[in-house]
Amino acid sequence: EAQVTQNPRYLITVTGKKLTVTCSQNMNHEYMSWYRQDPGLGLRQIYYSMNVEVTDKGDVPEGYKVSRKEKRNFPLILESPSPNQTSLYFCASSPYSPPSINTEAFFGQGTRLTVV
Amino acid sequence: KNQVEQSPQSLIILEGKNCTLQCNYTVSPFSNLRWYKQDTGRGPVSLTIMTFSENTKSNGRYTATLDADTKQSSLHITASQLSDSASYICVVSAAGSGGGADGLTFGKGTHLIIQP
Repeated sequence: EAQVTQNPRYLITVTGKKLTVTCSQNMNHEYMSWYRQDPGLGLRQIYYSMNVEVTDKGDVPEGYKVSRKEKRNFPLILESPSPNQTSLYFCASSPYSPPSINTEAFFGQGTRLTVV
Repeated sequence: KNQVEQSPQSLIILEGKNCTLQCNYTVSPFSNLRWYKQDTGRGPVSLTIMTFSENTKSNGRYTATLDADTKQSSLHITASQLSDSASYICVVSAAGSGGGADGLTFGKGTHLIIQP
């Protein structure tokens, strides 16, 4: 089944403790992206990747890192999480880069992160 | 700055009734417009993708319209069902990199509640 898989689905952590949220897609998509979703703000892009070893900042990249060593994986790293990073996170992939080409984006199921 | 505005912010209707959600955008140059359905706590799922030349596109009980001249789109839901309760997100793609960092501009969504 074609899908984008995020892990974990839920995570509670403490301020300053490094964490990684994994994202994997099995569709051989070129483009992958991370978003955070907060009440009243909608989806905001954190980082995106046009292809392996090619990553770039989105609208809200502060406090986050990413890597794209393999085409299928695009982990999101929080080196020193803070409470303002408590949010619902989504990973997405699209067949081609840039994603404005007329193909849909596939989203993962989300990771609900709470930083206390 | 490219923007996507959705209205209403939230909407409550009775099961079986029809409703229309609105999306106005200022994204330029326009590439395509997408409507996504997001169930609570889940990732968005694509409903339709419309290009400049398409005025209407249907997906079951969902019908999207696009007026590229006035830069407006609507999503009409016919004979609503309880399972239609969700957030509906309008996303506009810019040709090249005219939107967000990767050409995508997200609306904040319309939260639709269907009551029995």
